[in-house]
Amino acid sequence: NAGVTQTPKFRILKIGQSMTLQCTQDMNHNYMYWYRQDPGMGLKLIYYSVGAGITDKGEVPNGYNVSRSTTEDFPLRLELAAPSQTSVYFCASTFPGANVLTFGAGSRLTVL
Amino acid sequence: AQRVTQPEKLLSVFKGAPVELKCNYSYSGSPELFWYVQYSRQRLQLLLRHISRESIKGFTADLNKGETSFHLKKPFAQEEDSAMYYCALAMNRDDKIIFGKGTRLHILP
Repeated sequence: NAGVTQTPKFRILKIGQSMTLQCTQDMNHNYMYWYRQDPGMGLKLIYYSVGAGITDKGEVPNGYNVSRSTTEDFPLRLELAAPSQTSVYFCASTFPGANVLTFGAGSRLTVL
Repeated sequence: AQRVTQPEKLLSVFKGAPVELKCNYSYSGSPELFWYVQYSRQRLQLLLRHISRESIKGFTADLNKGETSFHLKKPFAQEEDSAMYYCALAMNRDDKIIFGKGTRLHILP
């Protein structure tokens, strides 16, 4: 039982490049969330999904896109990387109404 | 607007002293509040939630709807309590879960 798995753990991107952060969970959780963690700013919600085919914007969605084609996977895409997107990204999931999040280990992204 | 406020970035407390990490929230609906903790080199994990009203690792937190607060308390700090603590608000109206900026708790020997 792996829980929430994020890949890659680390990545360096050049400005303007694109990439996808992968997130998969094996707990059959319907709800999945993406956060970014910046020093002094805490965790900010980027996007979330309450089920396959349904996604919603969070607090800081600009510059990101998501899709949810299966219950297990919730990838986060950066289309044109900018230095402001340098951060640690966390994926999390939970059952509907439970609200107790299980977090992945995080993906550290640096944009140069 | 919905908001979680943790006013202290860093809190340094001597071992054995009481600890209080402050959290205030702003939400017009029925709130559900949580404390999450991130120990060094570990994943973010749930510490406690207001509806369970239990004590975890000696920590307690009471939801005060009048003051819109959910402060985390422990009577006697231990060195292993050093970590980053986040207060979180679940908004059941739209299924969002948002976090405060976090407070780093440093327990001094």
